[in-house]
Amino acid sequence: AQSVSQHNHHVILSEAASLELGCNYSYGGTVNLFWYVQYPGQHLQLLLKYFSGDPLVKGIKGFEAEFIKSKFSFNLRKPSVQWSDTAEYFCAVIGVDSNYQLIWGAGTKLIIKP
Amino acid sequence: SQTIHQWPATLVQPVGSPLSLECTVEGTSNPNLYWYRQAAGRGLQLLFYSVGIGQISSEVPQNLSASRPQDRQFILSSKKLLLSDSGFYLCAWSFSSFANTGELFFGEGSRLTVL
Repeated sequence: AQSVSQHNHHVILSEAASLELGCNYSYGGTVNLFWYVQYPGQHLQLLLKYFSGDPLVKGIKGFEAEFIKSKFSFNLRKPSVQWSDTAEYFCAVIGVDSNYQLIWGAGTKLIIKP
Repeated sequence: SQTIHQWPATLVQPVGSPLSLECTVEGTSNPNLYWYRQAAGRGLQLLFYSVGIGQISSEVPQNLSASRPQDRQFILSSKKLLLSDSGFYLCAWSFSSFANTGELFFGEGSRLTVL
């Protein structure tokens, strides 16, 4: 069965620290990959996505993610975090030959200390 | 631009009472519609999705049901709530070309507490 694993449920960083949130998926076929973000008091929104092409994708607010097919990973990165990056981050996957339903990771709560 | 409205935002109901959560989308036609439940530390669980009026697919057998009486209206219901139905429910929509975009647009969510 398809699954998505996010390695850390809670991450606490200081401002200006570098960020990497891990995401691994289990699926044997071609996938589309996503990171969604939920800021405090706001609704879930798309941060970035990968469908094909350059495995390094850039999203909003300076975030990027790299798809490494051999490792079944799609880790989210940001070189220097800000207090406003405090949020919960969800990795999600669609198997393109499945029923096109998103499979979600459990989420990572990121807290940035000012 | 498209908007999605979901209500009520919070709801406290006794065990055995009925439930109705409503979601409407504006600014687009023929959207795909979704109901998710978000549990802390467990991510999002897809409950129902709909690709058209009257077309409902259920992902998880449970005490809940969904209906789509109009193109942009999606309702989550229960005849008799259980304690285990407590949670945070999210409505979402996508363009009908979801397979090409993969992007979901979420409502603000409804916090249901069953006592």
